Amino acid sequence: SQQGEEDPQALSIQEGENATMNCSYKTSINNLQWYRQNSGRGLVHLILIRSNEREKHSGRLRVTLDTSKKSSSLLITASRAADTASYFCATDPSQGGSEKLVFGKGTKLTVNP
Amino acid sequence: DTAVSQTPKYLVTQMGNDKSIKCEQNLGHDTMYWYKQDSKKFLKIMFSYNNKELIINETVPNRFSPKSPDKAHLNLHINSLELGDSAVYFCASSQGRAGGPYTGELFFGEGSRLTVL
Repeated sequence: SQQGEEDPQALSIQEGENATMNCSYKTSINNLQWYRQNSGRGLVHLILIRSNEREKHSGRLRVTLDTSKKSSSLLITASRAADTASYFCATDPSQGGSEKLVFGKGTKLTVNP
Repeated sequence: DTAVSQTPKYLVTQMGNDKSIKCEQNLGHDTMYWYKQDSKKFLKIMFSYNNKELIINETVPNRFSPKSPDKAHLNLHINSLELGDSAVYFCASSQGRAGGPYTGELFFGEGSRLTVL
């Protein structure tokens, strides 16, 4: 069954603005990852945050994790047209016997020049 | 050098045919995966192999048969193709196993778009 749910499904902003995407999940996790998918391409890993971490930064990306609310957010600051893509969260469930990374449905981000 | 390469990139075929998609990774990873992405961009795991051993089979119809001749290759063969098989199939690899102590990022291929007519 699906684990992660991204919100919103689609987001359109102007270049230079910040973009925030949210992800909620259902079960306890080892880690949560965010991926980007450009149109017609494969997914590219952006950042991984472990269950014992609350915040992580990578360049213009900031990820937070709230395990009590089972949610994460991805913030892209000072967005660029090149950030236009779909963004997926993926969770690595920590339940015994579960060995799969489960993806949400993604947020489609459009950054207008 | 492409890290995870899959072929073909596009595949158009008739219902009832059998087709294969090949995947190779040159990252030295132990685990490889097949994911299916439907028209709504939902990405669902199909299979996972760790060192040539099948570890995940997500209730995929047995018309789908993965084969891993070695840990760098994971191929997907599909028999008796149906309209609902139309999707983009992604191969991926990782250093560790999801759920294990060394879980890291997945490296994806560029996808193989299968269209069944």
